[in-house]
Amino acid sequence: QVTLRESGPALVKPTQTLTLTCTFSGFSLTTSGMCVNWIRQPPGKALEWLARIDWDDDKYYSTSLKTRLIISKDTSKNQVVLTMTNMDPVDTATYYCARITNPQSSGFDYWGQGTLVTVSS
Amino acid sequence: DIQMTQSPSSLSASAGDRVTITCRASQSISRYLNWYQQKPGKAPKLLIYAASSLQSGVPSRFSGSGSGTDFTLTISSLQPEDFATYYCQQSYSAPPTFGQGTKVEI
Repeated sequence: QVTLRESGPALVKPTQTLTLTCTFSGFSLTTSGMCVNWIRQPPGKALEWLARIDWDDDKYYSTSLKTRLIISKDTSKNQVVLTMTNMDPVDTATYYCARITNPQSSGFDYWGQGTLVTVSS
Repeated sequence: DIQMTQSPSSLSASAGDRVTITCRASQSISRYLNWYQQKPGKAPKLLIYAASSLQSGVPSRFSGSGSGTDFTLTISSLQPEDFATYYCQQSYSAPPTFGQGTKVEI
C-alpha cells in the first residue's frame, strides 16, 4: 500500500535552514505522471502548497516562497527532500508531503501524517 | 496565482441535514477542482477530484458539481463523522491553490 512519512527537526531557530525528508513506499517516482508535493498548515490556518517534484525531475515552487525553497529527490531511496532557508516564526506549521498521480486531473490522494515544525529562538 | 474563495467560512448543522459548500475561482479552471476533508490533528483526505469524481472509498453522500469558476460540494445527509473542515483546491495551473476552508460544526 501507499505510504508517505515526513521527518525532520521539530524545532528550528530563526534564520536557520530547515531540511525535511519525505520517505515513501508503494509507488515509484520514476513512473510517468507521478509527483510528490510539500504542503504546510500553520496552526489553525488553511493549507498552503509549497513545492512539487515530478517523475521527470521537473520542479515547481510557491510563487511567494520560491526564493527560499529547494526540492530534490533520491529515487533509489524513495525520498523527496525539501529545504527552506531563512526560517522565521511565521513558518511554524505542520508540514505534509503528498502524492499526486496526474498534476492536473487528480488530487492529492495520499498524504503523510505531517510533522510539526516550530520556529523559535 | 489563481485565488480560491470558499463560502461560508463556517456553518452549523445537524445530523441528517443536507449541507452545501461553495468554492469560487478567480478565473476559469474548467473542471480541475478537488475537495478535501480534514479532521483535527489529521492530514486532509481527498473526497472529490475533477469537480465531480468520487475518490475510491468515499461515501456516496458526498458529491461535487460545477465548472468554470463556480463549484459546489454537497453532503446529502450529514453524518456525525462528517463534522470537519473542508477545503477546495484548483489543479488547473501551477501553483495549485487552496480555499481558506469551511468548518462544519454541530
